[in-house]
Amino acid sequence: DVKVTQSSRYLVKRTGEKVFLECVQDMDHENMFWYRQDPGLGLRLIYFSYDVKMKEKGDIPEGYSVSREKKERFSLILESASTNQTSMYLCASSLDRVRLEQYFGPGTRLTVT
Amino acid sequence: RKEVEQDPGPFNVPEGATVAFNCTYSNSASQSFFWYRQDCRKEPKLLMSVYSSGNEDGRFTAQLNRASQYISLLIRDSKLSDSATYLCVVNDRGNKLVFGAGTILRVKS
Repeated sequence: DVKVTQSSRYLVKRTGEKVFLECVQDMDHENMFWYRQDPGLGLRLIYFSYDVKMKEKGDIPEGYSVSREKKERFSLILESASTNQTSMYLCASSLDRVRLEQYFGPGTRLTVT
Repeated sequence: RKEVEQDPGPFNVPEGATVAFNCTYSNSASQSFFWYRQDCRKEPKLLMSVYSSGNEDGRFTAQLNRASQYISLLIRDSKLSDSATYLCVVNDRGNKLVFGAGTILRVKS
């Protein structure tokens, strides 16, 4: 079974703090993704990566950055957390450019106060 | 127009009923299609891929209509445990997937 893990299930941070969300997959997948999910808005893609050290902007990259130094690890960084970044953050991975089905981690519920 | 559109529901059905969801997509170049299931406060999980010829997995049947750009999911003999949000998913350019906002299903005894 594919396993995608995320560093925290719940996180509370203050406005202006730098926040790191970590994601690790154990199936040697090439592609990794970060989404946020908000009620009524569905899943929105923040950033994704096709390979180590490669990253591409998704639909809502503002206020976020990412890092992929190793194939199995994809980090999402909130440079200066704001209250409108309170959300559920979901990491996903997929095998390659042919097998596109994504497998998700359990999510991190981030609250910024 | 949204890239992937679904009826948000909720669909309230009794146990044992047959229920069907449709989903339309706007990108005629899309090649990969999926249905995901998401339980409350959980992550989305792959339910099934959707193939051009249609496919079945137990009580679940998925169909693709490329000409009309819609996919469907049919659930037969609904169980209480089928209650969830069902997400229609279509690939965009390259490796990206676009997720619909989901259809809520509630199966009642």
